[in-house]
Amino acid sequence: GQSLEQPSEVTAVEGAIVQINCTYQTSGFYGLSWYQQHDGGAPTFLSYNALDGLEETGRFSSFLSRSDSYGYLLLQELQMKDSASYFCAVIGYSTLTFGKGTMLLVSP
Amino acid sequence: DTEVTQTPKHLVMGMTNKKSLKCEQHMGHRAMYWYKQKAKKPPELMFVYSYEKLSINESVPSRFSPECPNSSLLNLHLHALQPEDSALYLCASSQDRDGSSYEQYFGPGTRLTVT
Repeated sequence: GQSLEQPSEVTAVEGAIVQINCTYQTSGFYGLSWYQQHDGGAPTFLSYNALDGLEETGRFSSFLSRSDSYGYLLLQELQMKDSASYFCAVIGYSTLTFGKGTMLLVSP
Repeated sequence: DTEVTQTPKHLVMGMTNKKSLKCEQHMGHRAMYWYKQKAKKPPELMFVYSYEKLSINESVPSRFSPECPNSSLLNLHLHALQPEDSALYLCASSQDRDGSSYEQYFGPGTRLTVT
């Protein structure tokens, strides 16, 4: 089976940097994805790590350590529109298994 | 066009009704997925289609019946549902199942209420 742990809620102010951690236990691991979902909206793909290290896409970066079964999503220069739920998701044997999600609340 | 469309947006049905949810994509993706999402919970995989064939059924009750008429369309037929089946049903697609399932494009979902 697969299990993922991420914080349930994180709060931050506009312009700040926030890191959302994800630890996982899985049989069959190919990589870690991150998705954003605004309230009432569809999940949107943000990033993917198959190998150890940092991937940067604009204000968002994602990191993976396969040996530690750990990854994180880093959001910089936070904006109000970044308030959303963020899911880490493990890719194994052709399917995505999502973590429980982290609700990010950005305040002025 | 990177859009996945789903109809209807909202659906209310009784426990004896039969209804269908529809999903369409025109990105040439060969893998399509159905997920169920309850409020404040993550999406849960129900079915995976790869090249129009059902490849994964996550032990979903038979009152949910998927169908893939062609490479662009995915249906979910509903019959004799229970109130606990009320949820947001999300359709997603990816370029293929094995190499690209990490990047899925989701539709806006159908919010289903079973009365």
